[in-house]
Order: sequence, then structure tokens, then C-alpha cells
Amino acid sequence: DVQMTQSLSYLAASPGESVSISCKASKSISNYLAWYQQKPGEAYKLLIYSGSTLQSGTPSRFSGSGSGTDFTLTIRSLEPEDFGLYYCQQYYEKPNTFGAGTKLELK
Amino acid sequence: EVQLQESGPGLVKPSQSLSLTCSVTGYSITSNYWGWIRKFPGNKMEWMGYISYSGSTSYNPSLKSRISITRDTSKNQFFLQLNSVTTEDTATYYCARYGVYYGPNYFDYWGQGVMVTVSS
Repeated sequence: DVQMTQSLSYLAASPGESVSISCKASKSISNYLAWYQQKPGEAYKLLIYSGSTLQSGTPSRFSGSGSGTDFTLTIRSLEPEDFGLYYCQQYYEKPNTFGAGTKLELK
Repeated sequence: EVQLQESGPGLVKPSQSLSLTCSVTGYSITSNYWGWIRKFPGNKMEWMGYISYSGSTSYNPSLKSRISITRDTSKNQFFLQLNSVTTEDTATYYCARYGVYYGPNYFDYWGQGVMVTVSS
């Protein structure tokens, strides 16, 4: 299975700051990577797919980059509603696998 | 709007079967692919399997022969059955729609999840 590593399990930041969340695949997955946000009591929200394509409705302060094995989700100018759990998922091959998640908390 | 809602018992005894239903509104399950994913305590996530628009299925090998995903197109529902559960199957279970109609890839709509505890 492709192992997905999110090196930071926890990240604290303040509104207005910019943050980056990394995700590393154990083998090349081209750009078959998605990013999700989860907030307590809410359904998972697809933010980005194909590594860098914003899902409809995702604010433009979110961006995704990378291909191959290294990927980054960047959030510019954090808003209060951006705090939550972020996961990456590879869909290059089955079984699809997820990173362990990065919890973005308010500093 | 596409909406998914999981339902099923919140408590299952070890060695028994876990059965969950995903009810879909706003979109037909005879289009796209539909999956089950679970999140364990501690936030680790696992893709369990999917059922396609045609009824074909694919499962995570880690679940071997314990898993079955079926559907009822007349009710626009699909189902998860996991047999011989142990405490390690305690998790929050999610159903979701794959975002691209022609193949399994990323998930664009999710249910809110149902927590299932395996305990005697």
C-alpha cells in the first residue's frame, strides 16, 4: 500500500497567518492527491483534487501544490472557519490511503 | 444537493456482524461510485471499499472476506456489512460519493458518519 505521511499532527496558528501542511507519499502518485477538511459535527469537505485543483466552493486562499511524492496544502490569511482537521488522500492506486491528519488549531 | 446519511447500530458485540446503511438523496446511486471509509480513534482513516454505478464492488484487501457492500437502487441506498468484528473495528464509519462518475478517485460528498463501538 502507498503510505501517506503528514509530518505534522498538530499546527497552531492565528487568524491572518499563512500555513502550509505537507503530505508525502511512499512512492510516486503523480498528482492523484486530494485534500479534505473536517470540522467537528460536520461532514468532510473536499478542498482540492488532482494535487492543485480547487473543488467548487473552496475559497481561493487555499492552494495545493506538488506532484510525485511531495505535496503541500497552503492556506493564506487564515480565517476562523479554517481551523479543523486536514487529511490528504492518494487515489493513484488501490487501496486508496489517507494521511494521519493535521489538526490546525487556533493559537 | 447531494446528501448522504449513515445509519445503523452504535454498539455491536464481538464476533457479530456490523451492518450500516447509507441513504442518498439528490443523486442516483446508479451513477458514480460510492464508498465506505472509517476513522479509528486517534484519527487514522481507512478506505474500506466501494460499489459502482453498475453494482460492481472492490474491497480493501486488509478486510479480506469480512466485508460486503451491496445496494438497493429502488431505495437509493447502499449498505456495508462487516463480519466477525473485533474491538479493533470500533470506529466512525462514513459513506461518500466519488467525485468522478467514471471511476473511483476522490470523494466529493460525505455523510456525517456514524460511530460504532464493538464491545461485549
